[in-house]
Amino acid sequence: GAVVSQHPSRVICKSGTSVKIECRSLDFQATTMFWYRQFPKQSLMLMATSNEGSKATYEQGVEKDKFLINHASLTLSTLTVTSAHPEDSSFYICSARGLAGATGYDTQYFGPGTRLTVL
Amino acid sequence: SQQGEEDPQALSIQEGENATMNCSYKTSINNLQWYRQNSGRGLVHLILIRSNEREKHSGRLRVTLDTSKKSSSLLITASRAADTASYFCATLTDYKLSFGAGTTVTVRA
Repeated sequence: GAVVSQHPSRVICKSGTSVKIECRSLDFQATTMFWYRQFPKQSLMLMATSNEGSKATYEQGVEKDKFLINHASLTLSTLTVTSAHPEDSSFYICSARGLAGATGYDTQYFGPGTRLTVL
Repeated sequence: SQQGEEDPQALSIQEGENATMNCSYKTSINNLQWYRQNSGRGLVHLILIRSNEREKHSGRLRVTLDTSKKSSSLLITASRAADTASYFCATLTDYKLSFGAGTTVTVRA
């Protein structure tokens, strides 16, 4: 099946610093990528949707200046958490959607997630 | 945004037993999907059922969809210890996936 990778898998940073998380579709071109966050024992909450070459669309309540998303190519999207604070500590998961052989357009493939801990 | 409610929140069963979990949602959908998540890991896509389908099978998985009641169920037959995970339903509407709260399944050996 289609593979989505994320890097890093785990990051610990000091409060006030910025952290960049990469999301790559390895064997297909992702026309759309999605970023989710998940708090412990909770569901995934969509943060933003990005289409290659255009600005991301953020969900209500998500600060676009704090969570910068760049979808520079059909295989790479990045999420930068700027001036991170302890409350930003969470599990961030990206997913990608695109034609991948017979998988179909309306299936999203998820990355393995990035555990962010802000001290 | 979170669309669905899942029931039960947690389920503990003996290996070999069946596990059933339910998902309800609020708005009209294009399709409904089920995912599995092992602790601290990413999501694995299990099965997709379209809005015009009523039942679908994949290996030991059986999914039903009742659009009149806005509900779906996932049945895992002959459970194994490796099925221990959290299971989420997700509805696709206007190209966005919205996830339910999840059911945590523990399969005891």
